[in-house]
Amino acid sequence: GNSVTQMEGPVTLSEEAFLTINCTYTATGYPSLFWYVQYPGEGLQLLLKATKADDKGSNKGFEATYRKETTSFHLEKGSVQVSDSAVYFCASWAGSYQLTFGKGTKLSVIP
Amino acid sequence: GAGVSQSPSNKVTEKGKDVELRCDPISGHTALYWYRQSLGQGLEFLIYFQGNSAPDKSGLPSDRFSAERTGGSVSTLTIQRTQQEDSAVYLCASSQNQGGQPQHFGDGTRLSIL
Repeated sequence: GNSVTQMEGPVTLSEEAFLTINCTYTATGYPSLFWYVQYPGEGLQLLLKATKADDKGSNKGFEATYRKETTSFHLEKGSVQVSDSAVYFCASWAGSYQLTFGKGTKLSVIP
Repeated sequence: GAGVSQSPSNKVTEKGKDVELRCDPISGHTALYWYRQSLGQGLEFLIYFQGNSAPDKSGLPSDRFSAERTGGSVSTLTIQRTQQEDSAVYLCASSQNQGGQPQHFGDGTRLSIL
């Protein structure tokens, strides 16, 4: 079956630090991959996506590259801000109706 | 509306009571999804609607849970005889068509069972 594994948090970084949140997936075929972000008290928002191998999704300074050889979709940002504090979810979609989510990684950025 | 709207935003009720959670999807979106987000558990898929029909109800945790969608729009998730383990955030999402991505999420209903 499909599954998504992402690094457990919480992750605490100082402002302007480099961020990496690891995500790996298992799926039949080649799924589309997503990162969603959930700010406190809000629902999930799509942050970025990639639909095929070697695609790079990017948004708001965040990037993730679809790596078929390592079945990974790690999220990176070069310089985090306090406003990036949120929970980040990696997800895959293998062509059915259902998104498969990781358990989420809580990021706290301190000034 | 502009986004997915869920109500109430917070619900506190006593164990054993029934609750109804409402989701109003983005206008024109035919697919609607319910998820449950429990502390430290990520998102658990509950049910999916295409139009008014639910092809897959396998994610509903027990027969105390039911959901319906009318007019291809608003959906209600009903939990009967609530238990403390039902406490969670219930998220609704919609997408433009069957299996369509991305899914657009509402802000959720935080349900607390005393």
